[in-house]
Amino acid sequence: EAGVAQSPRYKIIEKRQSVAFWCNPISGHATLYWYQQILGQGPKLLIQFQNNGVVDDSQLPKDRFSAERLKGVDSTLKIQPAKLEDSAVYLCASSSKWKRKDSTDTQYFGPGTRLTVL
Amino acid sequence: GQNIDQPTEMTATEGAIVQINCTYQTSGFNGLFWYQQHAGEAPTFLSYNVLDGLEEKGRFSSFLSRSKGYSYLLLKELQMKDSASYLCAVRAQTGANNLFFGTGTRLTVIP
Repeated sequence: EAGVAQSPRYKIIEKRQSVAFWCNPISGHATLYWYQQILGQGPKLLIQFQNNGVVDDSQLPKDRFSAERLKGVDSTLKIQPAKLEDSAVYLCASSSKWKRKDSTDTQYFGPGTRLTVL
Repeated sequence: GQNIDQPTEMTATEGAIVQINCTYQTSGFNGLFWYQQHAGEAPTFLSYNVLDGLEEKGRFSSFLSRSKGYSYLLLKELQMKDSASYLCAVRAQTGANNLFFGTGTRLTVIP
């Protein structure tokens, strides 16, 4: 089966500009996650969706970050305006809590979008 | 809160065995995952432990002791392609069942 798709793979912007990332999860996966991974660190969860509803956005800087998953499939993450400290890789992951075989609820990651803010 | 510790870097020789340790303190525990991440790539799932003991999967094994808040990933018969970062992640026992990642251990395999 196809994996998690993300675009673009790379993005360079200047501070105070806006940027948007797109994610298409594995077909049938109800749960979608956005993570921020700063160089040399582990991924940090920004937001979790279950279908088209937000489950957890406690670590999302809501003054500048927003995310949506309108039809319960694709998702977009936006940063407006960007700051220098937003330079990171933005990873999208998906999982399915509803498959009996996948009781571990394993998260599968996309290739990520590497954002550089100048 | 969540606290997950693992060594920053390790070096091992091709063909050898290496053990990567992970200690954690979390508010509730609902499983521990190990992921492999090659430079510039996405994390890929390696193993999952929710009960105490050893889980073996080919050259990779993972151990968990819940009472000690401790896990390790054991890699046998190291190959050059095993050079990567290894991420320990704990699933907290919250409504959202979120994963909390350590900073990762960068393993370098030398000839």
